[in-house]
Amino acid sequence: SQTIHQWPATLVQPVGSPLSLECTVEGTSNPNLYWYRQAAGRGLQLLFYSVGIGQISSEVPQNLSASRPQDRQFILSSKKLLLSDSGFYLCAFSGTSGADEQFFGPGTRLTVL
Amino acid sequence: KNEVEQSPQNLTAQEGEFITINCSYSVGISALHWLQQHPGGGIVSLFMLSSGKKKHGRLIATINIQEKHSSLHITASHPRDSAVYICAPLDPQGGSEKLVFGKGTKLTVNP
Repeated sequence: SQTIHQWPATLVQPVGSPLSLECTVEGTSNPNLYWYRQAAGRGLQLLFYSVGIGQISSEVPQNLSASRPQDRQFILSSKKLLLSDSGFYLCAFSGTSGADEQFFGPGTRLTVL
Repeated sequence: KNEVEQSPQNLTAQEGEFITINCSYSVGISALHWLQQHPGGGIVSLFMLSSGKKKHGRLIATINIQEKHSSLHITASHPRDSAVYICAPLDPQGGSEKLVFGKGTKLTVNP
């Protein structure tokens, strides 16, 4: 069966520190992968998506970057966190067609102090 | 840009009531997700539909592609249905399809 994992579940980081959030998918090959953010009191926003290894599309200019070093691994990073990076980060995957249903990971709650 | 409107923003119901949440969007789409987000933050995809109606247990989702409108219904609501329900059309943008999210409807079902 298909499963998606994210870690850590919660994270508290000081302003200016680096960030690395990891997402892995099991039970599927060549998935489309997505990073979303939900800021406090706001809706979900697509940050990055990837259709293959090394292929990353950025939706919103920001302090974050994404990488896909392996087919089923998606990493969200920052060199220096800002207060505004606080939020709930969700990874999701879908089949190779952009019109396939998306399935979401458990999320990482990031607080930047 | 696809503008997604959900109504109501907040909904309080008594256990057993029939619930309807509405979603309208401004740009034609191929499909639409209904998502459920529990207080802990985790998101579950309830439905993805492109036409007509789908039913899972007490949940029913309908969509009218021509009218750019979808509804989520919950029959015999229960306190465990309390969550935020999010409408997310799959919006064709520049040759690829991406989810665009409504702001959500917060449902509270009281026993």
